Amino acid sequence: ETGVTQSPTHLIKTRGQQVTLRCSSQSGHNTVSWYQQALGQGPQFIFQYYREEENGRGNFPPRFSGLQFPNYSSELNVNALELDDSALYLCASSLVRGSNNEQFFGPGTRLTVL
Amino acid sequence: GENVEQHPSTLSVQEGDSAVIKCTYSDSASNYFPWYKQELGKRPQLIIDIRSNVGEKKDQRIAVTLNKTAKHFSLHITETQPEDSAVYFCAASIGNTGNQFYFGTGTSLTVIP
Repeated sequence: ETGVTQSPTHLIKTRGQQVTLRCSSQSGHNTVSWYQQALGQGPQFIFQYYREEENGRGNFPPRFSGLQFPNYSSELNVNALELDDSALYLCASSLVRGSNNEQFFGPGTRLTVL
Repeated sequence: GENVEQHPSTLSVQEGDSAVIKCTYSDSASNYFPWYKQELGKRPQLIIDIRSNVGEKKDQRIAVTLNKTAKHFSLHITETQPEDSAVYFCAASIGNTGNQFYFGTGTSLTVIP
């Protein structure tokens, strides 16, 4: 096990609702990245947090937002849920910003929007 | 932004044969290329990676090659075993953007016993 944990494991929501997903990074890691993985696709970069600040964002609308806490855990918030938001949401933690370091993935949260 | 293409989308090989998966990237600034293995219902696991200052890297039955001029990199698995069956993803990262990974669409590898 890599030490990255996510909660909840599964979640079912309806269109228009809001959701918060949580990630605890591996011990000693200060960077958390969030990815959306639709069925049969590769993970798509949503955004990254380094030392509590957003450090880069992919092509996702503002209703996708996040936080990183002093202990480097992180939240992903999605407002006004749409059917297409149904996916596996993965977080990945790494140690050092700005250099290419291995990212350790969590088990993911499976979000279903009805 | 970076665009990573991956081929083939599915691959079936006989046990003991070799498997090759190829990826291309668009941004010449990309300088780190990891490969992940994802078994059904599980998290992606890093199996090998290569940095842009290296042309080839090997770890037991797995090797990765990088051609910076052509902007492509490949995963080679030799002596395949049934437990190699999984979805494999390549990714590219531009270091100065802070480790943002851009993934390919995945290759579903099936090793037939």
